Amino acid sequence: LAKTTQPISMDSYEGQEVNITCSHNNIATNDYITWYQQFPSQGPRFIIQGYKTKVTNEVASLFIPADRKSSTLSLPRVSLSDTAVYYCLVGDMRRLTGGGNKLTFGTGTQLKVEL
Amino acid sequence: NAGVTQTPKFQVLKTGQSMTLQCAQDMNHNSMYWYRQDPGMGLRLIYYSASEGTTDKGEVPNGYNVSRLNKREFSLRLESAAPSQTSVYFCASSVSSDRGMFGGELFFGEGSRLTVL
Repeated sequence: LAKTTQPISMDSYEGQEVNITCSHNNIATNDYITWYQQFPSQGPRFIIQGYKTKVTNEVASLFIPADRKSSTLSLPRVSLSDTAVYYCLVGDMRRLTGGGNKLTFGTGTQLKVEL
Repeated sequence: NAGVTQTPKFQVLKTGQSMTLQCAQDMNHNSMYWYRQDPGMGLRLIYYSASEGTTDKGEVPNGYNVSRLNKREFSLRLESAAPSQTSVYFCASSVSSDRGMFGGELFFGEGSRLTVL
């Protein structure tokens, strides 16, 4: 399972764009990159997933360079409610049935948004 | 929409006691998981069930047993609780990842906070 490295914490202000980068140097060919968000006392919630280039949804954008050794989660115009822990996961969900990659979450990035 | 429901939400046990955490999902997902979350450790996979009738160990299975009762329900049992098992436990489910189907999204319950004295 590809190990990921992300900053422990980040601070921002309301209205700013926040970019959280995740390093995954040993990502495998079949691995996808998935980001989750977790609020206190809640379970993580899926934000976005991608394989290469750029993926965008109503919540965030995910940028993945050609070598796929890193990825950047971009949150446009954050608000106080975006204060949460953000997790980057790398793995091949298709192999879970075969007992292959078992998705694990690292310690994530604590994002704090202030006024 | 219930999604993933866990019971109980809070539990205090004494060392050596046993208990079962219950999890049920109403999304017709084939795969279910149990994670534990400890301060500074992120979430760690305890056991998972890729489909009804199968279970497999995750990263930290020692001290736990699981039962995939049916497609909807996946329980986690602590036979003899230890203080090291004090944690927040999360159940999750996802669409099936067999037959090459891509199951990229995990749906989590709200967690069960367990304290072992």
